[in-house]
Amino acid sequence: DGGITQSPKYLFRKEGQNVTLSCEQNLNHDAMYWYRQDPGQGLRLIYYSQIVNDFQKGDIAEGYSVSREKKESFPLTVTSAQKNPTAFYLCASSARREYTEAFFGQGTRLTVV
Amino acid sequence: AQKITQTQPGMFVQEKEAVTLDCTYDTSDPSYGLFWYKQPSSGEMIFLIYQGSYDQQNATEGRYSLNFQKARKSANLVISASQLGDSAMYFCAMREGNTGGFKTIFGAGTRLFVKA
Repeated sequence: DGGITQSPKYLFRKEGQNVTLSCEQNLNHDAMYWYRQDPGQGLRLIYYSQIVNDFQKGDIAEGYSVSREKKESFPLTVTSAQKNPTAFYLCASSARREYTEAFFGQGTRLTVV
Repeated sequence: AQKITQTQPGMFVQEKEAVTLDCTYDTSDPSYGLFWYKQPSSGEMIFLIYQGSYDQQNATEGRYSLNFQKARKSANLVISASQLGDSAMYFCAMREGNTGGFKTIFGAGTRLFVKA
C-alpha cells in the first residue's frame, strides 16, 4: 500500500542531544513537508522540499535541519539549538501541484527530558 | 504573504444539526488550492475536501461542503447532519501554485464538539 511512514512513533531524548526523525513515502510525490504541532495548536511549517536536493525554510526553521537526497526520504534533525523541541511532528507529501491534497504520516511525538 | 486564519478556537453543535467552520486566507498567487483536514484525538490527519481557486462551483464531499467566496477570500467548511464522530480538530490549509513554490500552510484550527 502506498503511504507515508514516520518513525519512531514516540521518541525520548535528553536535553542537548540531536535527534533525527525519519519520514519515508512511496507515493512518488515530489513535494515533502515537515510540520510541528504543539498541544491544542495548529500545524506550523518547519521545512519543505519540492524536488530532490532542494529544500526551503518554513516559518519555524531555527534549530532544525533537513536533507533530501532521495525522492522517497525527508529526514528531520532536531538540533540542540532548538529551544523547546518537545512537540508532535508531522511529515507530509504531495504532488507538486496546488490542487492535490497532502498525505500525512502518523506523526512522531518527541519528548525531551 | 501567504496566510490562513481560523477565528473559532472551539465550536459546539447539536447532533444531527449543521455547523459552519470559518476560514479566511490571503495570497497574491492567482492559482492556489484550499483544503480542509480533520484531526481526531489519535493525531492522524484526514483529508476532507478541496477547492481550487479557479473552480466555479463549491466543492462537496458527502456531508462536507465548502462555501468558497473568492472575493472575500473565505473558504468555510459546512458539515451537515453532525455526528458524534465528527468531534475533532479541523484545519483549513492552502497551497499556492508555482509562484509560491507550492508551499502549504495551515490555520490554527477549530475544535468541534458534537453534543448528543
